Amino acid sequence: EPEVTQTPSHQVTQMGQEVILRCVPISNHLYFYWYRQILGQKVEFLVSFYNNEISEKSEIFDDQFSVERPDGSNFTLKIRSTKLEDSAMYFCASNGVLYNEQFFGPGTRLTVL
Amino acid sequence: KQEVTQIPAALSVPEGENLVLNCSFTDSAIYNLQWFRQDPGKGLTSLLLIQSSQREQTSGRLNASLDKSSGRSTLYIAASQPGDSATYLCAVASGGYNKLIFGAGTRLAVHP
Repeated sequence: EPEVTQTPSHQVTQMGQEVILRCVPISNHLYFYWYRQILGQKVEFLVSFYNNEISEKSEIFDDQFSVERPDGSNFTLKIRSTKLEDSAMYFCASNGVLYNEQFFGPGTRLTVL
Repeated sequence: KQEVTQIPAALSVPEGENLVLNCSFTDSAIYNLQWFRQDPGKGLTSLLLIQSSQREQTSGRLNASLDKSSGRSTLYIAASQPGDSATYLCAVASGGYNKLIFGAGTRLAVHP
């Protein structure tokens, strides 16, 4: 069964460093999303992406964040200069038809020291 | 601003019980509602999706209902098993490009 994959599963970085989190959405899906979950808190929407551009972003998604679909399969989230408060589980999701079921990846746990 | 609340926050039951988990949302203008399961430290597994025009969906021992006008959904789990132990999240898609707004979840423990 097709699934969303994410790499790495765990990333440890120093404050101020850049990180890139990678996702491979389900192959025929067109809509892509990033969410994050700080430990013990709700899952929060970060950004949605369609047709090679951002369709919506939250207040969290400031200039330190960017997303890219560098090729036909990967979808990346870049944090330019990480802060301690960026430590969280980051989830990628995709769906094939707008307003249909979203499928989530297993997440990348980001730890900023 | 859409807000999603889940009650109870935690639930511990003996195996075999039938359970009801509750989800409420403040803005009834939703496109759909999705129930997820999350195991500790893991990703989100989609359980059921209810479109705004639907009243309920069923999958195996799970049944989810939606009352959009009152801003409520319930997830019914029949004959609970220890393997059902997990956190159950409710999320609504409202406004924009199908972004999901999540509740805090109900942490379920089913003991033998």
